Amino acid sequence: GEDVEQSLFLSVREGDSSVINCTYTDSSSTYLYWYKQEPGAGLQLLTYIFSNMDMKQDQRLTVLLNKKDKHLSLRIADTQTGDSAIYFCAGGEAGTALIFGKGTTLSVSS
Amino acid sequence: NAGVTQTPKFQVLKTGQSMTLQCAQDMNHEYMSWYRQDPGMGLRLIHYSVGAGITDQGEVPNGYNVSRSTTEDFPLRLLSAAPSQTSVYFCASKNPGQGFTGELFFGEGSRLTVL
Repeated sequence: GEDVEQSLFLSVREGDSSVINCTYTDSSSTYLYWYKQEPGAGLQLLTYIFSNMDMKQDQRLTVLLNKKDKHLSLRIADTQTGDSAIYFCAGGEAGTALIFGKGTTLSVSS
Repeated sequence: NAGVTQTPKFQVLKTGQSMTLQCAQDMNHEYMSWYRQDPGMGLRLIHYSVGAGITDQGEVPNGYNVSRSTTEDFPLRLLSAAPSQTSVYFCASKNPGQGFTGELFFGEGSRLTVL
């Protein structure tokens, strides 16, 4: 089955770029996702990328997918204090369970 | 639409007690699931359902039961609570059909403490 690994913590200063990395094992995942969890709340989809894409940009967010290395990254440009949260990488098929990584806690200092 | 609604939001149980976490969605999603979130462990799948009358086990099913009698509801039952079941529980649903991205919609979570 799918296994998803990501680093646990990242600390950046406001205005810098943040890069959160993720590796996965199952190359059959049709979609790969990034979810954001703010304190005391559920998870919300931040962005996703279709497996036949290499890159997706959405305003301050850039997702890069390296299928050969099974590596996914999320870049947040001009990071703000409001971006402080836990970010989860997830993979899976549309019709089956999503497997989540352990989450990366992003801390943004002003 | 209310989305995914979980009740209760907070619960304290004693070891050995039983209880049911409720989950309801109004998006007509066929797929529903329960995850637990523990510090340093991420989200782990407990049980899931691909439609009414169909349920299956996830990664950590022991100590939990589920049923799916309607499309809208997917309750999670703790039969005899143990301190190891202290966690935050999330219900999530999605439309798994073709043309959909498989995005999971999450409830706000139920925080359970077992003493």
